[in-house]
Amino acid sequence: DAKTTQPPSMDCAEGRAANLPCNHSTISGNEYVYWYRQIHSQGPQYIIHGLKNNETNEMASLIITEDRKSSTLILPHATLRDTAVYYCIARSNFGNEKLTFGTGTRLTIIP
Amino acid sequence: NAGVTQTPKFQVLKTGQSMTLQCAQDMNHNSMYWYRQDPGMGLRLIYYSASEGTTDKGEVPNGYNVSRLNKREFSLRLESAAPSQTSVYFCASSDSGFFNYGYTFGSGTRLTVV
Repeated sequence: DAKTTQPPSMDCAEGRAANLPCNHSTISGNEYVYWYRQIHSQGPQYIIHGLKNNETNEMASLIITEDRKSSTLILPHATLRDTAVYYCIARSNFGNEKLTFGTGTRLTIIP
Repeated sequence: NAGVTQTPKFQVLKTGQSMTLQCAQDMNHNSMYWYRQDPGMGLRLIYYSASEGTTDKGEVPNGYNVSRLNKREFSLRLESAAPSQTSVYFCASSDSGFFNYGYTFGSGTRLTVV
């Protein structure tokens, strides 16, 4: 799996969009970008994933650059419940590639 | 639909004691995983089972054994607990097909070894 790099921490004001960056400059062509979050030591929760096109679901949007070397997770209207550690993971969907977690970005939503 | 259920939620062991952490999923997933998370760190893979009847080592398997009892259940055993095994243990499952939408995690077992 490609290594990803994330800032250790970020703050965002409640109600504003939270933009979480991730660098994955060595990502290979068959590796997807996955985002998970972990709220206060609960089990990680799947948010979204994508290969090369931008993706949106009810939780977030994922913007992947054209060269696929970086991506941004967008929480459009952050709430206090979005305070969590966010993990960006590059992983192939072929075979049974395992999820490898880094230390993620600790996002704090400020009231 | 319960997802992934882990038992117990909390456990305190004395050094040298043994115990088994239980995990069950009701999503008909083929693959199951055990991770541990130490304070301030990301999750590390202990063991996984790609399908019923198979198990493989992950990043940190020493001191643990696993059993894939059937498609639903995947247990983790500590034969002789050590203080270094104090951690939060998470079980997860996934559909190993190509259109894999990720892992579903349980709520964790908080283990303290004294």
